[in-house]
Amino acid sequence: KAGVTQTPRYLIKTRGQQVTLSCSPISGHRSVSWYQQTPGQGLQFLFEYFSETQRNKGNFPGRFSGRQFSNSRSEMNVSTLELGDSALYLCASDLGPEGDTQYFGPGTRLTVL
Amino acid sequence: EDQVTQSPEALRLQEGESSSLNCSYTVSGLRGLFWYRQDPGKGPEFLFTLYSAGEEKEKERLKATLTKKESFLHITAPKPEDSATYLCAVDGYSTLTFGKGTMLLVSP
Repeated sequence: KAGVTQTPRYLIKTRGQQVTLSCSPISGHRSVSWYQQTPGQGLQFLFEYFSETQRNKGNFPGRFSGRQFSNSRSEMNVSTLELGDSALYLCASDLGPEGDTQYFGPGTRLTVL
Repeated sequence: EDQVTQSPEALRLQEGESSSLNCSYTVSGLRGLFWYRQDPGKGPEFLFTLYSAGEEKEKERLKATLTKKESFLHITAPKPEDSATYLCAVDGYSTLTFGKGTMLLVSP
């Protein structure tokens, strides 16, 4: 079974631009979560989607948004990029909201110049 | 607010030198505790899920245990390929909360 895929793998943007990252979950998984990972803060939860609905949201500014499509694929968007947004963005999928193991994709490395 | 603290932050071992990594947690209700392994530049790779105190799980040279306040990841006779960052996370019936990880380096 194919794992979680994320595109693109690497991105370089400049301050003020916006970016969209994509995540395709494992087949049959309906829940997708997004995380930001930085050396100083570790893995921080951004948001979780299930059945096209946002179920939980972490403590991030409104510049960070996401959505999920009917095929469970998800996208996250960051608008008005700041230098501090440089990070590894990870997507994870699981079967659903009843508590299950999350499986991670390889991540998208975003660099903001 | 759920909290996870991992120690030590970094650990250097000689090949064959067994040791343990610690994950202390504070959560109002625990649905599950997870261990992941992460190699540089890659996404976390799932290792174990533990659900209740007293539970143990093993995989090759790794063994994870759980008490009501902490979890241990025991590494027996490690090899250089075990070098990675090991992450602990708790599911407190809302979202996963991760610790900052233990960076393990095993020298030949």
